[in-house]
Formats: sequence, structure tokens, C-alpha cells
Amino acid sequence: DQQVKQNSPSLSVQEGRISILNCDYTNSMFDYFLWYKKYPAEGPTFLISISSIKDKNEDGRFTVFLNKSAKHLSLHIVPSQPGDSAVYFCAASAGTSGTYKYIFGTGTRLKVLA
Amino acid sequence: DAGVTQSPTHLIKTRGQQVTLRCSPISGHKSVSWYQQVLGQGPQFIFQYYEKEERGRGNFPDRFSARQFPNYSSELNVNALLLGDSALYLCASSLGGGGAPRTDTQYFGPGTRLTVL
Repeated sequence: DQQVKQNSPSLSVQEGRISILNCDYTNSMFDYFLWYKKYPAEGPTFLISISSIKDKNEDGRFTVFLNKSAKHLSLHIVPSQPGDSAVYFCAASAGTSGTYKYIFGTGTRLKVLA
Repeated sequence: DAGVTQSPTHLIKTRGQQVTLRCSPISGHKSVSWYQQVLGQGPQFIFQYYEKEERGRGNFPDRFSARQFPNYSSELNVNALLLGDSALYLCASSLGGGGAPRTDTQYFGPGTRLTVL
């Protein structure tokens, strides 16, 4: 049972344009959501997070939007740069479980074209 | 500041052998989590430790075990290796607590690539 889904395996965007990566979840107990970026042969790098009490969080070029009623979150990257080319994972966590484990999606490969 | 470190970087074992992977968390972090990532998938949760106590276990067989030491470093052990255990093993550290706001953002190490032949 895939509780966190990233339905787009890949995305190509022109440099300077907006990249929008999407993530859907099924577990209504999730209360903390994160985005990670991963380059080959490296561990995931934390990008940005959002608590379920918010619907938007910004950090520089990165903005995460959370729509709890639709159980959907998205990551916007503006403007996109060639260095942003990587695999992006969304992750979710249910704090009430006491474990704080993260459930990851399968990732979206972003390619930013120069 | 040093990030999460893992050793070894790469490891090749044969079926039936045992392996120990090591992780040192970011200074000040008291929680360590272990994940397995196979090609084409997202990381899968294996264990989480906080203050040397197991706080959670994922859906992995008993061949997988872990522990956390007083200095908050951690080891992941896998016995009786199978071909399907070939994967990237990731360690992540966090401050530990949940709370509000959440303080458990996990920061990952570079991983250990395990190949089982």
C-alpha cells in the first residue's frame, strides 16, 4: 500500500521557468511533510518542510504548498536552474505514531534544460 | 560542521554472510534512523533509535538489527544476507523530538552501497 505517491516519474523544464513537482498521500494522520533532492551516489538532501497547520512554506527559490483536503502537496522551484536537475522525493510523517518515521514517494526525476 | 557520516562507502558480500554498517550523526542529534533504498524506489524505513532506545521498526525481517551507542552513533547489522538485500543503506539523524513545531527533520548521510553476490 503506497501511502505517498509521486505519479510523475520524470519532468523536463527550461532553465528560468517554474518547476512544479507533485505528491499525493492517503494517510490523514500525516502531519509533517518534506521534500528531499537526491543526486546519484549521494544521500538525500533536505530541501524544505511543512507542518500540517500551514498551507505554504517558502525558502528562497523553493515553495511547498499543502492542500490537506485533497491530500496533495507540491514543490515549486522558481526560477529553475540546471543544478536543480536531480531526483526529488516527497516524504510524510505521522507524529502521533511516536516513531517519526518518514514514508517516501518513489521520486520524480527533474531535468532542467539550459 | 560535519554532516552524517557512514562507513563503509561500498561493500560486497556473498549470500549467507553477515554485515555491519556504521553511522555517526550530526553533533547534537540524538536520533538515528536507518532506511533501505533499492533502485527506482524511495527509501524504506528500517529502524529508528532515540537516546539509545528503539523507537520504531519497519517491515523488515529479524535478520535486520540495530543499536545506538552512548555517543549516539549507530550500527545496522544484517545476518544471513540474501541477494535481495543489495541496496543503498541510508542513515539519517535528527534532534529527535517531535513536538510543535516538529524538531525531527532528518538529515541523511551519503549511504553505504551493499552488493550481495
